[in-house]
Amino acid sequence: EIVLTQSPATLSLSPGERATLSCRASQFVASYLDWYQHKPGQAPRLLISDASNRATGIPARFSGSGSGTDFTLTISNLEPEDFAVYYCHQRNNWLYTFGQGTKLEIK
Amino acid sequence: EVKLVESGEGLAQPGGSLRLSCAATGFTFRSYAMHWLRQAPGKGLEYVSASDYSGGSTYYADSVKGRFTISRDNSKNTLYLQMGSLRPEDTAIYFCARGDCSSTSCLVDYWGQGTLVTVSS
Repeated sequence: EIVLTQSPATLSLSPGERATLSCRASQFVASYLDWYQHKPGQAPRLLISDASNRATGIPARFSGSGSGTDFTLTISNLEPEDFAVYYCHQRNNWLYTFGQGTKLEIK
Repeated sequence: EVKLVESGEGLAQPGGSLRLSCAATGFTFRSYAMHWLRQAPGKGLEYVSASDYSGGSTYYADSVKGRFTISRDNSKNTLYLQMGSLRPEDTAIYFCARGDCSSTSCLVDYWGQGTLVTVSS
C-alpha cells in the first residue's frame, strides 16, 4: 500500500496569505495525484487532478505541482471559504489511498 | 449538474444490517464506475467498495470483504451498499462518489454529502 504523508497537519493562516500544503508518497505515483477540499457536512470537492490540472470551476488561486513522490498544493491569496481540510489522493496502482489531511484554519 | 444523494442513515447493533442508497442525477449513470468511501470519527478517508459501470466488476476493502455488497440499478440511477455483520468500527460517514475511469486509472470527481452509520449496542 502506498502511504501518503501530508504536512503540516494543521496550518494557521490569515485571509489574503498564501498556503503551501505538501504531500509525500512512500512510492512512485507518477502524476496520479489528486487534491480534495472537505468542509464538515459537505461533499468533498475535487480541486486538482493529475498533480496539476484544476478541476472544473476551481478558482485559479488553487494550483498543484509535483510528480513522482513529492507534491504541493498552493492556495494564493486565501479567501474565507478556503479554510477546510485538504486531502491528497493517489491512484497510481489499483489500491488507491488518501493522505491523513491538512487542516487549514484561520489564524 | 452532477448530484449524488445518499440515504439509509441509521443506528445498527453489532452484527446487524443496514442498506445505503445513492441516487444519482445530472449525468449518464450507466456510463460511470461508482464508489463507496467512508470516514470514521476523527479519521481520514477510506475506500470501502467500488463497482464498474455495469456492476459486473466490483472491489471491496479487506475490512469489509464478505460482509458488504455493492450493487447498482442502472434503470433507477441508484447505487447501493448492503452492509451486514456490522461492527462498531464500521461507524462512519459513508460517501458515494463517481469514478471517471480511463484504461489506467479512475478519477473520483464527484461526491455526495454522506450519510452517517452508527454501530452500537
